[in-house]
Amino acid sequence: AQSVSQHNHHVILSEAASLELGCNYSYGGTVNLFWYVQYPGQHLQLLLKYFSGDPLVKGIKGFEAEFIKSKFSFNLRKPSVQWSDTAEYFCAVNKGGSQGNLIFGKGTKLSVKP
Amino acid sequence: DAGVIQSPRHEVTEMGQEVTLRCKPISGHNSLFWYRQTMMRGLELLIYFNNNVPIDDSGMPEDRFSAKMPNASFSTLKIQPSEPRDSAVYFCASTMGQGTSPLHFGNGTRLTVT
Repeated sequence: AQSVSQHNHHVILSEAASLELGCNYSYGGTVNLFWYVQYPGQHLQLLLKYFSGDPLVKGIKGFEAEFIKSKFSFNLRKPSVQWSDTAEYFCAVNKGGSQGNLIFGKGTKLSVKP
Repeated sequence: DAGVIQSPRHEVTEMGQEVTLRCKPISGHNSLFWYRQTMMRGLELLIYFNNNVPIDDSGMPEDRFSAKMPNASFSTLKIQPSEPRDSAVYFCASTMGQGTSPLHFGNGTRLTVT
């Protein structure tokens, strides 16, 4: 069965620190990969997605993610975080059949100290 | 664009009562998804519809859960009878269901069953 693992439950950083959130998936076939963000009290929003092509994907608000097929990984990065990046981040893989049929990781809560 | 609209935002009910959650997808979207978010299990897909037809309900936990989509602009998720373990945040999401169209989430309904 497909699964998505996010290594960190809670990450605490100071502003301007660099961020990398780990995500590994288990699936042998072609995958579509996503990162969603949930700001406090808000709904989930798409940060970025990978379908094919360049494995380095750039998203909104300065985030990027790199798909490494050999490692089954899709880690999220940002060179310099801001207080406003405080949120919960979810990695997801497309299960097939529909773009919205996603398997989500359990999320990583990011707290950025001003 | 009003986004995906869910109601109510919060629902508190007693065990054994019937609960109905409502969702209005974004106009023009033809796929609708119900997700449940809990601390223990994270985000799980319960059921999704394509063109108002249920496609995959394998995530529906028990027969106490049912979902309908009588038309393209409305869906309900019903729990009857409700139990304390059903307490969670229930998200509705919609998408065009084709190509790289992203998934748009509603703000969720926080359900508490006492």
